[in-house]
Amino acid sequence: SQQGEEDPQALSIQEGENATMNCSYKTSINNLQWYRQNSGRGLVHLILIRSNEREKHSGRLRVTLDTSKKSSSLLITASRAADTASYFCAIADTGRRALTFGSGTRLQVQP
Amino acid sequence: DTGVSQDPRHKITKRGQNVTFRCDPISEHNRLYWYRQTLGQGPEFLTYFQNEAQLEKSRLLSDRFSAERPKGSFSTLEIQRTEQGDSAMYLCASSLEGQGNQPQHFGDGTRLSIL
Repeated sequence: SQQGEEDPQALSIQEGENATMNCSYKTSINNLQWYRQNSGRGLVHLILIRSNEREKHSGRLRVTLDTSKKSSSLLITASRAADTASYFCAIADTGRRALTFGSGTRLQVQP
Repeated sequence: DTGVSQDPRHKITKRGQNVTFRCDPISEHNRLYWYRQTLGQGPEFLTYFQNEAQLEKSRLLSDRFSAERPKGSFSTLEIQRTEQGDSAMYLCASSLEGQGNQPQHFGDGTRLSIL
């Protein structure tokens, strides 16, 4: 079963708008990671946030983590058509090396 | 290109045949992972190596599946007596050893289609 659950499952926005995706999980975590996947390709690591961090930025990406609510969000600001992809959160459970992925948010950015 | 490479990119085979996939990780990475991904879903963990030692296996990895990493470099994933339900994208990833879980670097996968 997949522990990380993303919301929404699909999101369609116009270029220039912001896109927000949410991830909820169930267990204690070491860290939480966000990945992007273009159609037919492998996943690309975007950002890692540790359990003792609350917010992290990387370029147009902003990730927040609320361990009390067991949730995280990914914000992409000023979206571009090239941001069109599926975005996955991945849970790094304490004591395990493998990641547990959610089912993803499919983002479509209209030019 | 020094990323993770997987071979072949596509494999079409008849039910009941055996298939083998290869993964070449980033050279300095000592951790290697195999995942399976079906359409519309996120990757599901199959197995993990640290150097040549297979340290964790998922319940998804039935006895028809076997993975090896003989010299701690490349890895192979074999599926014996393939079934329709084995159709999926098989992804390999590698990472550095370090405290906690490091970012994983993925290959572009091998797409398996069972006829």
